[in-house]
Amino acid sequence: GQQVMQIPQYQHVQEGEDFTTYCNSSTTLSNIQWYKQRPGGHPVFLIQLVKSGEVKKQKRLTFQFGEAKKNSSLHITATQTTDVGTYFCAGGASGTYKYIFGTGTRLKVLA
Amino acid sequence: DTGVSQDPRHKITKRGQNVTFRCDPISEHNRLYWYRQTLGQGPEFLTYFQNEAQLEKSRLLSDRFSAERPKGSFSTLEIQRTEQGDSAMYLCASSLARQGGEQYFGPGTRLTVT
Repeated sequence: GQQVMQIPQYQHVQEGEDFTTYCNSSTTLSNIQWYKQRPGGHPVFLIQLVKSGEVKKQKRLTFQFGEAKKNSSLHITATQTTDVGTYFCAGGASGTYKYIFGTGTRLKVLA
Repeated sequence: DTGVSQDPRHKITKRGQNVTFRCDPISEHNRLYWYRQTLGQGPEFLTYFQNEAQLEKSRLLSDRFSAERPKGSFSTLEIQRTEQGDSAMYLCASSLARQGGEQYFGPGTRLTVT
């Protein structure tokens, strides 16, 4: 079955440093979503990418969808303590509205 | 609050008992998802509905799990003969029925099986 992996599993950065998490699917995706989950909270939608090679920006966050639509990345520039949490990608397969979540990357930002 | 709500927020039950959880999605959302999440893991897909139709169910899900969405509004998830391995956070999410609609998650129901 479809699997979605993320690396790294954990990342500790100093405030102000950049952060990147990578998402890889075992199958070609129709679209990918990114979510952030704060400790003790529920996942909150960040963005959705649909097109091959698509790049979207939200302030300090940059999201990319690979050309083959099997991988994606999230890059945060100049991290802040408010960026702390776990970032998940969720891959949507063609012909279904089922989403498979990645393993997540837990980000800690040291002030 | 017009977000996704779930009830109860916490449930402690003894092994072998049946439990039922309820999810009320955002009112205009016709797609509803159930996920299970354990500590340090991503949400694991269980099933999803479009209106009242259950379109897909995880093959990993045993026959002890069943979900309904009788009128295309709220949904229930029942677990029969609970086992300790069922202990987890059960998350519900809803979305609009367009390709790749963003999912809005509820606060979850934390199940502890003793």
